[in-house]
Amino acid sequence: NAGVTQTPKFQVLKTGQSMTLQCAQDMNHNSMYWYRQDPGMGLRLIYYSASEGTTDKGEVPNGYNVSRLNKREFSLRLESAAPSQTSVYFCASPQYNEQFFGPGTRLTVL
Amino acid sequence: GIQVEQSPPDLILQEGANSTLRCNFSDSVNNLQWFHQNPWGQLINLFYIPSGTKQNGRLSATTVATERYSLLYISSSQTTDSGVYFCAVERMDSSYKLIFGSGTRLLVRP
Repeated sequence: NAGVTQTPKFQVLKTGQSMTLQCAQDMNHNSMYWYRQDPGMGLRLIYYSASEGTTDKGEVPNGYNVSRLNKREFSLRLESAAPSQTSVYFCASPQYNEQFFGPGTRLTVL
Repeated sequence: GIQVEQSPPDLILQEGANSTLRCNFSDSVNNLQWFHQNPWGQLINLFYIPSGTKQNGRLSATTVATERYSLLYISSSQTTDSGVYFCAVERMDSSYKLIFGSGTRLLVRP
């Protein structure tokens, strides 16, 4: 039982490049979330999926797209990366008021 | 939107000391949680505490919802308590969209 996994752990992109961050959970939870964490700040919600087949915007959705591929997987896509998207990205899956976080992806956009 | 303020921003303790971390929020909330982010970046759920008091070992938390604040108590601190402590709240009109404070960075020295 791995909980919430994320790939990759680290990524460096050039401005304008695209990439997809992958998240998977093996806890059979309905909800999944994507957050970003900037230095010295708390997490900010980018997008979430309350159940398979649904997605909704969070606080900071601009520049991102998401796909809830199935109950296990929730991906985050940057179509044209910008330096402002340099951050650590966390995927999470809550159940009964407890949040389970992945280990994070550290993304640098040059 | 709702504001979440945490204090102090930084705290240095000697091992064995006690401490109190505070979280103030600007509006009524459905949900309040405390998280610990360890020095390696991993986020762990500590408490789900929209009101009342809970204890888990050396940690306890109290939320006074009518006065819009929550306190996290750490007793007999250990070096493993080091990291950043975040408070997060969910607005009354929200569907589990957590708003995070900027955290309290704790360093416990041996």
